Amino acid sequence: EDQVTQSPEALRLQEGESSSLNCSYTVSGLRGLFWYRQDPGKGPEFLFTLYSAGEEKEKERLKATLTKKESFLHITAPKPEDSATYLCAVQDTGTYKYIFGTGTRLKVLA
Amino acid sequence: KAGVTQTPRYLIKTRGQQVTLSCSPISGHRSVSWYQQTPGQGLQFLFEYFSETQRNKGNFPGRFSGRQFSNSRSEMNVSTLELGDSALYLCASSPQGMDQPQHFGDGTRLSIL
Repeated sequence: EDQVTQSPEALRLQEGESSSLNCSYTVSGLRGLFWYRQDPGKGPEFLFTLYSAGEEKEKERLKATLTKKESFLHITAPKPEDSATYLCAVQDTGTYKYIFGTGTRLKVLA
Repeated sequence: KAGVTQTPRYLIKTRGQQVTLSCSPISGHRSVSWYQQTPGQGLQFLFEYFSETQRNKGNFPGRFSGRQFSNSRSEMNVSTLELGDSALYLCASSPQGMDQPQHFGDGTRLSIL
């Protein structure tokens, strides 16, 4: 069964304290893995798409990586404005189903 | 460039009623997808429309339906509302499909009394 698991559920960091968020997935075939950021009261905002193992994408303080079983979102020297819920989603090549993980709530303290 | 627009932003209904939610995608985007977001289940995919045809469907009962118009605007309908339908309903659009980055609206908050 297709499944997406994100860890940790919540994370508190001091400003400048780097860390990583994990997204583990089980699908018959990966059509794409997507990272989104969601602020309270807003819809998710697209961050990255990864399509194949070994792929990496970077944007400002964020870097996403992909293996055959999981993806990591690395946050380098975070700032308070990086506080948000980070969501991972995968699309299955066979079923075309689109599945979200339950997210990681990140709080960055000044 | 205008983003994805969802109307209304808030809605209160009672059990047994039906509701229609509207989504205007980004200009030029032909794929529109709908999601339900709840604290317990997170974000769950409802369905995707492309060129007025439902192309992909999640695991929701038939009470949840949708349609897409020739200008790519989409509507979602929920009939015979249940308390468990209380949720944030999100719409997203992309140029050609769900394997591309999706742009989300800020959702319609539906409360069932």
